[in-house]
Amino acid sequence: AQKVTQAQTEISVVEKEDVTLDCVYETRDTTYYLFWYKQPPSGELVFLIRRNSFDEQNEISGRYSWNFQKSTSSFNFTITASQVVDSAVYFCALSETNNNDMRFGAGTRLTVKP
Amino acid sequence: EAGVTQSPTHLIKTRGQQATLRCSPISGHTSVYWYQQALGLGLQFLLWYDEGEERNRGNFPPRFSGRQFPNYSSELNVNALELEDSALYLCASSPWDTEYNSPLHFGNGTRLTVT
Repeated sequence: AQKVTQAQTEISVVEKEDVTLDCVYETRDTTYYLFWYKQPPSGELVFLIRRNSFDEQNEISGRYSWNFQKSTSSFNFTITASQVVDSAVYFCALSETNNNDMRFGAGTRLTVKP
Repeated sequence: EAGVTQSPTHLIKTRGQQATLRCSPISGHTSVYWYQQALGLGLQFLLWYDEGEERNRGNFPPRFSGRQFPNYSSELNVNALELEDSALYLCASSPWDTEYNSPLHFGNGTRLTVT
């Protein structure tokens, strides 16, 4: 069964600092999908990115970037020049092709102080 | 387009009672998922419904059950409530995706408190 580990429970940074959220996963499938979601204080999870196991290209979207490395089973998320609005709980998730149920990590609470 | 809607927003029950939580997916989405988010435990997968059938369930006892209706809305029932069932219950939906593994669209959740 798939498993996602987010070892960082809480991270606190000062505005404009860069911050990296770690995600390590386990799966026996060769084809799988990785996701990042953001949960702001309002509670609703917001989808940020999906990556399939065959696409190891890193992705950048504005201040957000993702580093996918199959060799280390990691899918890390970096926020550049963090802002107070980035404060939220961030979840990494994995789903395998045989099961469409998505398994989440425990989440990392990011606090960005002004 | 309306998002995933869940009701009620808050629910307070006493131990031993039953709770019913409801979810309406985004129009056109056929899959509905239920997750439990207990304090400090992240999101735990509960149930996945698609086309009215239960496709998979997580590691929860049978007193957690549900169903999906012909209009794709869904109910989650929790029988014989225990104190540790207190949590935020999140519903999510996704469209049918030939590749599977579509991103999930989440509702705001139902906060269940068991006293």
